Amino acid sequence: GAGVSQSPSNKVTEKGKDVELRCDPISGHTALYWYRQSLGQGLEFLIYFQGNSAPDKSGLPSDRFSAERTGGSVSTLTIQRTQQEDSAVYLCASSLVGRGVIAGELFFGEGSRLTVL
Amino acid sequence: GEDVEQSLFLSVREGDSSVINCTYTDSSSTYLYWYKQEPGAGLQLLTYIFSNMDMKQDQRLTVLLNKKDKHLSLRIADTQTGDSAIYFCADFYSSASKIIFGSGTRLSIRP
Repeated sequence: GAGVSQSPSNKVTEKGKDVELRCDPISGHTALYWYRQSLGQGLEFLIYFQGNSAPDKSGLPSDRFSAERTGGSVSTLTIQRTQQEDSAVYLCASSLVGRGVIAGELFFGEGSRLTVL
Repeated sequence: GEDVEQSLFLSVREGDSSVINCTYTDSSSTYLYWYKQEPGAGLQLLTYIFSNMDMKQDQRLTVLLNKKDKHLSLRIADTQTGDSAIYFCADFYSSASKIIFGSGTRLSIRP
């Protein structure tokens, strides 16, 4: 499709398991963002990829969280040893302009809802 | 630090104006944004304003920016039921090349 695609749309896992969330950005978009949306918490910035530059990982909440972007396109967010507080909607967004904001806008996927039991 | 704040809820009567407020801490903001999230859908950019502007109008939407007080507002005139959504204020932190979002304001419309 033409939009940002995220999978799975819903994931239920047991505490302590690892999960992988996938984001397929809009073709040609050089910037990719991951955010976490928790009830009443708004959107929490996690990580930002821009082209071949080193990603900005400043928002990752712990070392259990990691993300990679292969070939400048698809990105995977991995959460190891999941905890109940990791339950949230994980949103991916991509942007055409490198920094995503000067002349462009962020295009969001519909998110992956993670529930940790 | 990086922070964008907004109230969580707003309820208005259909046909009235809605005003959603936001404050931010970044002194070097270049762009500020309003995103809309409808139920079950992803966020979409609604409007944005350059930091050298005080006001921007787009049909029923008016954005006001007070840089001195670091205050941004979104006014929706003649609010309709289709305006029910969560509205997120966002700020572009040029020093870090990332966008920081507020907690979102849930706008509900009553008849």
